[in-house]
Amino acid sequence: EAQLLESGGGLVQPGGSLRLSCATSGFRFSTYAMSWVRQAPGKGLEWVSGIGPSPTNTYYADSVKGRFTISRDNSKNTLYVQMDSLRADDTAVYYCARGSGASPFDGWGQGTLVTVSS
Amino acid sequence: EIVLTQSPGTLSLSPGERATLSCRASQSVINSYVAWYQQKPGQAPRLLIYGASSRATGIPDRFSGSGSGADFTLTISRLEPEDFAVYYCQQYGRSPATFGPGTKVDIK
Repeated sequence: EAQLLESGGGLVQPGGSLRLSCATSGFRFSTYAMSWVRQAPGKGLEWVSGIGPSPTNTYYADSVKGRFTISRDNSKNTLYVQMDSLRADDTAVYYCARGSGASPFDGWGQGTLVTVSS
Repeated sequence: EIVLTQSPGTLSLSPGERATLSCRASQSVINSYVAWYQQKPGQAPRLLIYGASSRATGIPDRFSGSGSGADFTLTISRLEPEDFAVYYCQQYGRSPATFGPGTKVDIK
């Protein structure tokens, strides 16, 4: 069974940076596209960024393009997202999900909360 | 981007009743690439249906999906106590993938 575990969330000031990690196990990580999906408090789901099985193919929602950078280390079975120039509207629970924006998300982590506030 | 509208916003039903949830897209979804997810408070979403009508692994057969073009439906044939949750549809036929705002199924 696929297991995904996010870490790295917390409180950060507007304009600050944060790096989230997602450690995975139970499946062949290197063969799957992966994504980050976020959910603002009390709101719905928003796909943020995706990466193909190869680290060279990356995709971003317009809302984060130029500020977030997704990456992966297939030797460590780990997904990352570097979040820079954070804004208050980036406040959300960030989920790591197995799948890309071109496939369903068939595995999810428990989420990590990012709060952007002064 | 494709905008998804879900109706109703809230569905109040009793255990054992049938639930019918609607998802309408602002344009036709390629290959009926629509998924449905269930989310309970404090938990991550769980994939129920993909490709409009295929059940994900381990999903009970009381959950079924249908539809094509721009109109899709999730049906829960007989609600069990554990089915009261929020349900989201998602399209992944055209980038960016987008989600609907959700339908809350609560106990009447």
